[in-house]
Amino acid sequence: QKEVEQNSGPLSVPEGAIASLNCTYSDRGSQSFFWYRQYSGKSPELIMSIYSNGDKEDGRFTAQLNKASQYVSLLIRDSQPSDSATYLCAVNTGFQKLVFGTGTRLLVSP
Amino acid sequence: DGGITQSPKYLFRKEGQNVTLSCEQNLNHDAMYWYRQDPGQGLRLIYYSQIVNDFQKGDIAEGYSVSREKKESFPLTVTSAQKNPTAFYLCASSSKDRFTGELFFGEGSRLTVL
Repeated sequence: QKEVEQNSGPLSVPEGAIASLNCTYSDRGSQSFFWYRQYSGKSPELIMSIYSNGDKEDGRFTAQLNKASQYVSLLIRDSQPSDSATYLCAVNTGFQKLVFGTGTRLLVSP
Repeated sequence: DGGITQSPKYLFRKEGQNVTLSCEQNLNHDAMYWYRQDPGQGLRLIYYSQIVNDFQKGDIAEGYSVSREKKESFPLTVTSAQKNPTAFYLCASSSKDRFTGELFFGEGSRLTVL
């Protein structure tokens, strides 16, 4: 079983819709959780971090964490074509390093 | 502007050659990291350093070497022992005293072995 799993996609949504990206992780001791956005050919950039159960909102982005289910999600409201990218879920397992998922490619069509 | 500079952006290497990828940061960050990304895969940790003159192996350190002689610099050498070096290499740094996972990345170096 992979440590951090994501559906590779592509996830296709129309402009203005809500995009829902999901991630599961295997290590119950994981302490903090992150979403990085990576445009094609570019480096990742941090867009959201979440440390406790529940929701965390930042503009159009909402991160959701459920430690009991070992599940992290990212919601993007009012999706824009500029949101088209690969979204990487990353988990801090407590050993001074991040474990990354393979990423979900999001396509937002005008 | 503060940031992380990686060079070169593109590099071609013949089999059997060592190459060194540069990573310089002016963010005053203590911790620095090297990741490798292959198509359709996530980032995999090669080496990391939390302080000058100290570094640790990551998950895929075989065939790679690093040094951390200055806080600002963390070069990665891809040696001839690395059997499949063609990949996108990413350098990152972290400002937190306690590692959390909030990383700042350079623009990456794309290495192709001919």
